[in-house]
Amino acid sequence: DAKTTQPTSMDCAEGRAANLPCNHSTISGNEYVYWYRQIHSQGPQYIIHGLKNNETNEMASLIITEDRKSSTLILPHATLRDTAVYYCIVRVGTGGTSYGKLTFGQGTILTVHP
Amino acid sequence: DSGVTQTPKHLITATGQRVTLRCSPRSGDLSVYWYQQSLDQGLQFLIQYYNGEERAKGNILERFSAQQFPDLHSELNLSSLELGDSALYFCASSVAPRGETQYFGPGTRLLVL
Repeated sequence: DAKTTQPTSMDCAEGRAANLPCNHSTISGNEYVYWYRQIHSQGPQYIIHGLKNNETNEMASLIITEDRKSSTLILPHATLRDTAVYYCIVRVGTGGTSYGKLTFGQGTILTVHP
Repeated sequence: DSGVTQTPKHLITATGQRVTLRCSPRSGDLSVYWYQQSLDQGLQFLIQYYNGEERAKGNILERFSAQQFPDLHSELNLSSLELGDSALYFCASSVAPRGETQYFGPGTRLLVL
């Protein structure tokens, strides 16, 4: 699985958009970008994933650059409950022989301020 | 609530002892994963089972073992416990073996004294 690089920490004001970047310059063509978050020692929570097209769900939007070497997770209207560690993970999706292992890096600590 | 349950929530034991952590996956999920989260190592994948069979192994110590039962619940057995085994242990589940979306339980916090 490709290695990812994320900023150690970020701040965001409540109600504003939080944009969390992730670099994955060695990503392969069959690898997906996944985002999970972990709120203070709770179990990680799946947010969104994508291959090359931008994706949106009820939680967030995922913007992947055309060369796929980086992506941005967008929380459109951050709330205090979005304070968490956000993990960007790159792994093979439905193709290939890789199984279900998720490799978590250090992630980005997002702090949402009132 | 992810639908994945783990028991117990907290466990305090002594070095050299053996403990068993239990996980019930979401209804319909066939794959179970175990992860360890310690302060110095972060979240690390231990092992995966799919429909009762071991599918992938990570950095799991030989003192640790796991199994998945016919009703799909899973147990993680930790023996000859050491201080360094103190950590949060998470179980996750997914429908398919490749685990595109994994749903995590609340974890078991293990403290070895």
